Amino acid sequence: DQQVKQNSPSLSVQEGRISILNCDYTNSMFDYFLWYKKYPAEGPTFLISISSIKDKNEDGRFTVFLNKSAKHLSLHIVPSQPGDSAVYFCAALGSGGGADGLTFGKGTHLIIQP
Amino acid sequence: GAVVSQHPSWVICKSGTSVKIECRSLDFQATTMFWYRQFPKQSLMLMATSNEGSKATYEQGVEKDKFLINHASLTLSTLTVTSAHPEDSSFYICSARAPDRANSPLHFGNGTRLTVT
Repeated sequence: DQQVKQNSPSLSVQEGRISILNCDYTNSMFDYFLWYKKYPAEGPTFLISISSIKDKNEDGRFTVFLNKSAKHLSLHIVPSQPGDSAVYFCAALGSGGGADGLTFGKGTHLIIQP
Repeated sequence: GAVVSQHPSWVICKSGTSVKIECRSLDFQATTMFWYRQFPKQSLMLMATSNEGSKATYEQGVEKDKFLINHASLTLSTLTVTSAHPEDSSFYICSARAPDRANSPLHFGNGTRLTVT
């Protein structure tokens, strides 16, 4: 049973437009959420996070929104750039996660088209 | 910022041989490191927790005799895939969290692509 779900395996967005990546979770014990970006043949790199006491966190072109009642979070990238093409993993931290505390989604492959 | 280094980045070995992968925390001491495996188009799967000075803790379904983990120092953990078979071919990634930073994100190595022929 997947506790963190990224229902879109891939997403294609035109350069300059907004990219919206979605993530849903089922475990109400999660209290911290992170987004990681991963290029092929590389390890994931941390992008942005949000605590459950907030509903929005912004860092440059990246904004993460959290809707606790819906158990839903989203990552907005605006404007999208070619270098943003990568796989994005949503991860949740808190009770119910693995020994590392994290539960990952399966990732969404974002493709930025010129 | 914290950096985790993983070596080698890719390795090809023959079936039946063993392969060692190193994971180092470069600017912090990590009493705990984590080893993951990733199959194509799948999520990162936690294999085991590497504990400095003690035995590793393996996730359910992971063979501890096949995936040997040694955490001999506060900056180095190694994963040895013993008697490798083609089905062990995968992308292996380690991670660590800087211990003095509450809720700090995990920092990942760049991964090791293992191909067993």
